[in-house]
Parts: sequence; C-alpha cells; structure tokens
Amino acid sequence: EPEVTQTPSHQVTQMGQEVILRCVPISNHLYFYWYRQILGQKVEFLVSFYNNEISEKSEIFDDQFSVERPDGSNFTLKIRSTKLEDSAMYFCASSEETFRLAGGGDTQYFGPGTRLTVL
Amino acid sequence: GENVEQHPSTLSVQEGDSAVIKCTYSDSASNYFPWYKQELGKRPQLIIDIRSNVGEKKDQRIAVTLNKTAKHFSLHITETQPEDSAVYFCAARNTMEYGNKLVFGAGTILRVKS
Repeated sequence: EPEVTQTPSHQVTQMGQEVILRCVPISNHLYFYWYRQILGQKVEFLVSFYNNEISEKSEIFDDQFSVERPDGSNFTLKIRSTKLEDSAMYFCASSEETFRLAGGGDTQYFGPGTRLTVL
Repeated sequence: GENVEQHPSTLSVQEGDSAVIKCTYSDSASNYFPWYKQELGKRPQLIIDIRSNVGEKKDQRIAVTLNKTAKHFSLHITETQPEDSAVYFCAARNTMEYGNKLVFGAGTILRVKS
C-alpha cells in the first residue's frame, strides 16, 4: 500500500537557523498538508496546498514558514529562522481531490513525521 | 473556528472489555469525523471515519456513532486486545471549506491490560 514518506526522521538545529522538512506524498494525491504536534499536545493544522498554491493556513503559519512543491514528487516545509517553540513533530499528509463529496470528504494519509528539535 | 474536545485523556481497560472515547465539536457545519490511532513513535493511521449523513458505522470491533444535534461523536472498541493500546485522536472537518483542515482533539491514551 502506498504511504507518505518524510525525511529526515529527526532534525536538530540551532535557534535562528533555517530548516527544510521534506515529504513525498502518495503519488496520485493532489492535496497536501502539514500538521505539527508539540510534545504532549494535540495535532495542529499548519497549511494545506492544492494546485500549486496554499489553500488554507493557520495562525501558526506565519511569515517564517513557507511550503513548496519543487518537483512532481516532493512537498517541503521551510522554517526560515527557527525558534525554540518550533520544536515539535511535523507531519505531512496527503489526500485525493475528492474533498467535496456529498456528505463528507476524503481520507488524509499521514507520514511518519519529522521530529524537529531547536536548541 | 472549530474546536474539538476529547475525553477521557487516559483510559485503562482490561483485555476483553469495551472502551469508549467521546468527542464534542463546536462548528455545526462540520460534516466529516475521522478517528486516528497513533502507536508510539509511529504515524497517525485512520481507523474509521463517519460522515454527517449517517449516524453509526461499524468495522469489525470498532464502531463510531454521531449525534449531530448534540454535536458529539464517539469511538467504541469492543473485545479490546493489548494491540489496541495506543493514542486515539478524533478530528472534525467542514468539507465545504476549501482548505480541508482537520481539527483534532487532544487525544486519549488507551491502555489495555492483559
């Protein structure tokens, strides 16, 4: 069964440094997402991406964050200048473009996550 | 915006007993409610979901019920097994919104004692 993959599994960085988290969504999916989970807290939505543009972003997703689909397979999350509070598990997810099905939507499949530690 | 509350935060049951996890949501426009299971160090995996046009859905030992009037939905696991031990997250979404954002509950740690 196809799965979403993410690299690296763990990233350690110094405060103020830029990090890029990489994701390979499931190949026939067209909708991509980033979520994060601070240790011991709930999973929080960051951004969704469709048709090469952001479709929705949360308050967390400020100017320090950006997303990109640089080629036909990768989907990246960049944090320009990391802060201590950016330390979290970052999950990528993808889904098919069937979000407007009557009565409900499509499944979002999650990657294994990248644990980001900012020192 | 949507807010999802989940209870209990931890749940311990004896193997073979049933487990029930409850979630409430605030946005009456939400119409899609998935449940994810997350084992330690692994990705969240969808175990069951329910759409607003049905009140109950079953898949073997797992069932989900939805009460749209009260804005709550519940996960029921029968005949629990040790491998059911994990963190369970409920979520809600308004599928008519363009962004497809899932709003998650805080999670329930389920421990099945053998």
